Amino acid sequence: DAKTTQPTSMDCAEGRAANLPCNHSTISGNEYVYWYRQIHSQGPQYIIHGLKNNETNEMASLIITEDRKSSTLILPHATLRDTAVYYCIVRVGQAGNMLTFGGGTRLMVKP
Amino acid sequence: GAGVSQSPSNKVTEKGKDVELRCDPISGHTALYWYRQSLGQGLEFLIYFQGNSAPDKSGLPSDRFSAERTGGSVSTLTIQRTQQEDSAVYLCASSLLQGYGGYTFGSGTRLTVV
Repeated sequence: DAKTTQPTSMDCAEGRAANLPCNHSTISGNEYVYWYRQIHSQGPQYIIHGLKNNETNEMASLIITEDRKSSTLILPHATLRDTAVYYCIVRVGQAGNMLTFGGGTRLMVKP
Repeated sequence: GAGVSQSPSNKVTEKGKDVELRCDPISGHTALYWYRQSLGQGLEFLIYFQGNSAPDKSGLPSDRFSAERTGGSVSTLTIQRTQQEDSAVYLCASSLLQGYGGYTFGSGTRLTVV
């Protein structure tokens, strides 16, 4: 799987949008971008994934650049409960392949 | 069930003893994964099941670790002769084999070897 690079940590004010970047410059054509988050003392939680089009669901939006070498996860109105470690993972699409978790970004949402 | 269930949620064991950790995946999910997470560390892949077979055992850290899955459902991770370095949270996840969705993780088993 392609390697990803994320900032180690970020802060965001409560109620503002949190924009979490991820670089995946070696992504190949059949690899998807997946985002997970892990709130303290819990198992990771799936957020969203995409191939090349931007995606939106009830949790977040995923913006993928046209060259697919980077992406941004957007939490439109961050709350204190969004404080977590956010993992960006690229992986060949079929669910049977295992995910490789990197260091992620520790997002701290502050009042 | 509605989610991935793991038991026990916490386990304290003496060094040298064997332990069994159980994972109940979401009904119908044919792929099952075990990870572990040491304190303050990232997730380390251990093993992956496709149905009852394990095509990828590459992450098992030593021959003291083994896992099985029966009936395409429940999986058991066994650690023999536990060592202090085995202390970690052991996480199980499941997913539909076909399809491009994400994994669903359980809440994990916190293993402490004393």
